Amino acid sequence: GQQVQQSPASLVLQEGENAELQCNFSSTATQLQWFYQSPGGSLVSLLSNPSGTKHTGRLTSTTVTKERRSSLHISSSQTTDSGTYLCAIDPNTNKVVFGTGTRLQVLP
Amino acid sequence: DPKIIQKPKYLVAVTGSEKILICEQYLGHNAMYWYRQSAKKPLEFMFSYSYQKLMDNQTASSRFQPQSSKKNHLDLQITALKPDDSATYFCASSQDRANERLFFGHGTKLSVL
Repeated sequence: GQQVQQSPASLVLQEGENAELQCNFSSTATQLQWFYQSPGGSLVSLLSNPSGTKHTGRLTSTTVTKERRSSLHISSSQTTDSGTYLCAIDPNTNKVVFGTGTRLQVLP
Repeated sequence: DPKIIQKPKYLVAVTGSEKILICEQYLGHNAMYWYRQSAKKPLEFMFSYSYQKLMDNQTASSRFQPQSSKKNHLDLQITALKPDDSATYFCASSQDRANERLFFGHGTKLSVL
């Protein structure tokens, strides 16, 4: 089965609304990262958060390692936030496994 | 300035030909990787290198051969290309294998006709 599952698959928001993205994984993760993939395809690392809560700008990630889940909260969304958000874990194999992503569209 | 450079950005090849995808990183990292992203599939791990040595290989086909001529280079040679090889190939790096915070290049989009 799929090791990393993300929900929702897609999300449409009005600018200014908040977004909550979920990531559930089936293996113990020694590392967890959230990435942003632009509509053009480039990948940017947003946060590295294997456990606890981390903030950067309008992003907050909370990972509960025992429950094998992580969330990414985007506050006050902007149209430039549109793209795909990917959750990736390292299940202690040194091979990072990616989810299929949440496609976010923020409307003006 | 991009710190991980992939060349070319787009590549069109005919079935049966051979191509080399170039990757150079200027982050001073010791570990480098190749990932593949096919249509409607998640990013898929292919290879990892650490200090120019192959550490992990998740690719079944020997048609895919990574080549590391320098510590900050990891090229990917693909022989006998097939239409199913069409995908975007991403190069990535991390400080070392124990610290897997990954940084990605912009990818090479390969189309095999």
